[in-house]
Amino acid sequence: DAGVIQSPRHEVTEMGQEVTLRCKPISGHDYLFWYRQTMMRGLELLIYFNNNVPIDDSGMPEDRFSAKMPNASFSTLKIQPSEPRDSAVYFCASSPIVEVHEQYFGPGTRLTVT
Amino acid sequence: QQQVKQSPQSLIVQKGGISIINCAYENTAFDYFPWYQQFPGKGPALLIAIRPDVSEKKEGRFTISFNKSAKQFSLHIMDSQPGDSATYFCAASTGGYQKVTFGIGTKLQVIP
Repeated sequence: DAGVIQSPRHEVTEMGQEVTLRCKPISGHDYLFWYRQTMMRGLELLIYFNNNVPIDDSGMPEDRFSAKMPNASFSTLKIQPSEPRDSAVYFCASSPIVEVHEQYFGPGTRLTVT
Repeated sequence: QQQVKQSPQSLIVQKGGISIINCAYENTAFDYFPWYQQFPGKGPALLIAIRPDVSEKKEGRFTISFNKSAKQFSLHIMDSQPGDSATYFCAASTGGYQKVTFGIGTKLQVIP
């Protein structure tokens, strides 16, 4: 298995632009998570899905952030409009089983907003 | 509010030494405590995990010690190697619930 796939790996954009991050979870995994990692705050859970349905989006910082999972093999995290403080590494992770809590992380997307 | 407090934030250990990272938690409902290892440019990967019904779990050179009454747990890396240089995250979650709360991370550097 190729693992969790994220694209792009790096994104540089100007303030005010729309940014879309993409994730393909591991096949057969029922759960998908979006995290944001910064030096100051570490790893923060933004939102997670179970069987394509958003379960908990309490970590989404504000209305500029939105996430979708149209099918079991694809999810997007969108920021519109982007701001310099959104600069971070965004990780997608997937998990197959409820009890085990074993999450498999993708390589991340490094976002820089200038 | 940081529900899982991790220290130190950075650690330098000589090759062959013992690396120790400590974590403390507040929420007594937590019942699963994983540790993740992250190399530069990569996503975190599950390293080892423990449930509170045991006080210690060992996998190779990595050992988790758990103190339920003190609400503390720690990772020990024995015979630390330069290849262990990475950022380590402790984490906690509640049973049957996928939301995992991570510590701030510890950047470990093992020098020859």
